[in-house]
Amino acid sequence: GQSLEQPSEVTAVEGAIVQINCTYQTSGFYGLSWYQQHDGGAPTFLSYNGLDGLEETGRFSSFLSRSDSYGYLLLQELQMKDSASYFCAVLRKTNAGKSTFGDGTTLTVKP
Amino acid sequence: DTEVTQTPKHLVMGMTNKKSLKCEQHMGHRAMYWYKQKAKKPPELMFVYSYEKLSINESVPSRFSPECPNSSLLNLHLHALQPEDSALYLCASSQDSSGYNEQFFGPGTRLTVL
Repeated sequence: GQSLEQPSEVTAVEGAIVQINCTYQTSGFYGLSWYQQHDGGAPTFLSYNGLDGLEETGRFSSFLSRSDSYGYLLLQELQMKDSASYFCAVLRKTNAGKSTFGDGTTLTVKP
Repeated sequence: DTEVTQTPKHLVMGMTNKKSLKCEQHMGHRAMYWYKQKAKKPPELMFVYSYEKLSINESVPSRFSPECPNSSLLNLHLHALQPEDSALYLCASSQDSSGYNEQFFGPGTRLTVL
């Protein structure tokens, strides 16, 4: 089986930095991706880590440690529009195409 | 064109109705997906089509019937649904389903079963 754990809620203020953690237990791990979803909207891709280390895309960075079965999404210079749900998703080597999503973290950015 | 479109946006149907959800992409992607998402929950994978062939069926009840008429189109035929099937149905596509490829999601169809 597989499981992903991420915090259910995180609150931060504008301009701050926030880190959303994701731990996973899965066999045949291929990589970890992150998606953002605003209320009433569709998930949009943020980043993917197939290898250990940090991937940076503008204000967002994502990190993976395979040995620790752990990753995180780092959001810098928070803006009000970053208030959304953030999902980590595991891609497995078997069942190519199958991503399993974590339960999501609701980020609230306050003025 | 980097968009996945879905129709209709909203659908209300009775338990005896037959309806279809449609999804279209023109990015040349060869993998397409159906997800079901309940409120405050993550998307749950239902089906994966790879090169127009069904490659993953996540033990979805037969009242949901997917169809991939060509590489750009994906349908989900609905029949004899239950009220608990009410949810947001998301379509997604990716370049292919081998290894990692970013999935592009459509805006979804919000389905209500009465």
